[in-house]
Amino acid sequence: QVQLQQWGAGLLKPSETLSLTCAVSGGSFTDYSWTWLRQSPGKGLEWIGEVRHDGLTNYNPSLKSRVTMSIDTSKNLFSLSLMSVTAADTAVYFCARNSSVPPLGFDFWGQGTLVTVSS
Amino acid sequence: QSVLTQPPSVSGAPGQGATISCTGNTSNIGAGYNVHWYQQLPGAAPKLLIYANTNRPSGVPDRFSGSKSGTSASLAITGLQPEDEADYYCQSYDSSLSAWVFGGGTKLTVL
Repeated sequence: QVQLQQWGAGLLKPSETLSLTCAVSGGSFTDYSWTWLRQSPGKGLEWIGEVRHDGLTNYNPSLKSRVTMSIDTSKNLFSLSLMSVTAADTAVYFCARNSSVPPLGFDFWGQGTLVTVSS
Repeated sequence: QSVLTQPPSVSGAPGQGATISCTGNTSNIGAGYNVHWYQQLPGAAPKLLIYANTNRPSGVPDRFSGSKSGTSASLAITGLQPEDEADYYCQSYDSSLSAWVFGGGTKLTVL
């Protein structure tokens, strides 16, 4: 069974950098895109971006200037870095697996990490 | 303002049915991109409910079904059960935004 386990700092000050990591166990690591999403308190879901096993990335244009994603295929890990955070970045962040070919959607998710940005 | 439009809430009595709509445009659903649906219970991560418009992952009851037509999609739930109370989200791809996009979510209440 595929499992995603994520971790990272939960409390940041404005202008700091958010860093989260997601470990994948079970299933193929090379056949999918590995994705980060977030959900602001009481609001809907927002796709942040994704990274493939070959390191190719695709970011949401609204966040692209501040986002970096990386992947370590030797450890089945992928990571998110979001620079210069503000209170608007306060959200629950999720990692997930995405298959677009075939189109399976985001079929496995991490447990979520609440990140709060406050001075 | 979400790219895909869903009703904020729907409700139904136990045993009855409910339908949740998801309206997009010619840059996303209407362009032929697949629609996926997710169920989110309070405090939990979203769970894939329907993929590629009409398909159920293993373990999802056949009470849940999806459809798509033109620039819209729908999630239908029959035989409502108390455990179906959750938030439901539709998702697709938007070519003008070059991004995966979601609906704003619909809260289903089982009366």
